Amino acid sequence: NAGVMQNPRHLVRRRGQEARLRCSPMKGHSHVYWYRQLPEEGLKFMVYLQKENIIDESGMPKERFSAEFPKEGPSILRIQQVVRGDSAAYFCASSPGTANNYGYTFGSGTRLTVV
Amino acid sequence: QKEVEQDPGPLSVPEGAIVSLNCTYSNSAFQYFMWYRQYSRKGPELLMYTYSSGNKEDGRFTAQVDKSSKYISLFIRDSQPSDSATYLCAIPYGNNRLAFGKGNQVVVIP
Repeated sequence: NAGVMQNPRHLVRRRGQEARLRCSPMKGHSHVYWYRQLPEEGLKFMVYLQKENIIDESGMPKERFSAEFPKEGPSILRIQQVVRGDSAAYFCASSPGTANNYGYTFGSGTRLTVV
Repeated sequence: QKEVEQDPGPLSVPEGAIVSLNCTYSNSAFQYFMWYRQYSRKGPELLMYTYSSGNKEDGRFTAQVDKSSKYISLFIRDSQPSDSATYLCAIPYGNNRLAFGKGNQVVVIP
């Protein structure tokens, strides 16, 4: 079982470029979550998705950020026109059911640096 | 008010010492409580999971929940250098979200 796979591990983008972060959940997991981790701020919820549906995007910035989890393929977190403040570690997690019963399994993260 | 609060100060202990970490939470209706461990440059991994009140033990790790004071604790006995990591408390809330504390960086000195 390969676990939650995220790629790339490191991503460097210039201001104004687009960043695409990919996440393949664990086999059998249908719930996907994206979190952002900033120094001194901890892990912050961004979005919760199931296949082809965004369930809760209340933690996503209103502009420039979007997420999808298509029927086939990985979940994608997309950041358009990146700014320096987007530099952070972005973690994807998955679960087979509700977080209450299972908690999450996290990937190793994508570290985005905006220069 | 945040769902869970964790004083993010670092903690250095000598090998073999007991490590004590704690968090407070805001909503007395919370029933599930988790501790995650995060090694440097890695994702968090679920370490301990408790439901409602009381203690749960797993090897050298003990998780404790005091619902009357809305306080959760993690104890590490006979700490080892391999325990050096950041420890985060977490509580499920809302629509399948987890609220995380800011984490405590623990360093066990050989």
